[in-house]
Amino acid sequence: GENVEQHPSTLSVQEGDSAVIKCTYSDSASNYFPWYKQELGKGPQLIIDIRSNVGEKKDQRIAVTLNKTAKHFSLHITETQPEDSAVYFCAAKNNDMRFGAGTRLTVKP
Amino acid sequence: DAGVIQSPRHEVTEMGQEVTLRCKPISGHNSLFWYRQTMMRGLELLIYFNNNVPIDDSGMPEDRFSAKMPNASFSTLKIQPSEPRDSAVYFCASSLVAGASNTEAFFGQGTRLTVV
Repeated sequence: GENVEQHPSTLSVQEGDSAVIKCTYSDSASNYFPWYKQELGKGPQLIIDIRSNVGEKKDQRIAVTLNKTAKHFSLHITETQPEDSAVYFCAAKNNDMRFGAGTRLTVKP
Repeated sequence: DAGVIQSPRHEVTEMGQEVTLRCKPISGHNSLFWYRQTMMRGLELLIYFNNNVPIDDSGMPEDRFSAKMPNASFSTLKIQPSEPRDSAVYFCASSLVAGASNTEAFFGQGTRLTVV
């Protein structure tokens, strides 16, 4: 089955700096790669996703890149703000959807 | 749509009791996932259904766990008998799968289960 690895497990940045979270996956049949943000006491919420026929996607301060050959995908947050502080999860989906272990992002004002 | 609805939000039960968690997926979605989240193990996929049929239950930890989806708008996850190590937050998520195309999965608010 699919195995998703995510790094780093914790990330602390200064407000205004960029944050990058990286994931790898094992199942070459996976074709959909969402990123979720989870705040305390809530369920994960989708913030951006990318499909296997696309290499990069951007939505305001958030961008994702996908390298299917290397089975890598990354989340980039620019101009970070304190409200970006949360746990971020990557996932890879073919039929089922498997998650990485999560990255706790702290943005210091 | 109100999104994925899970009940109860919180459940405290004694060891050995039966626990039933409930999920109502988003109307029109045909894929449903049950996850368990703990600090130690993160988000673990327990089981998922496509068109009400269980496709992969390899993540179900033991025979004490069972899940059903009697129709497109309802699913249950049952633990019988419950044990303290089952304490976790259980999430349900739903999505639409059309042919080879995947769409985003939406999560419920979760059920926080505490077994004492």
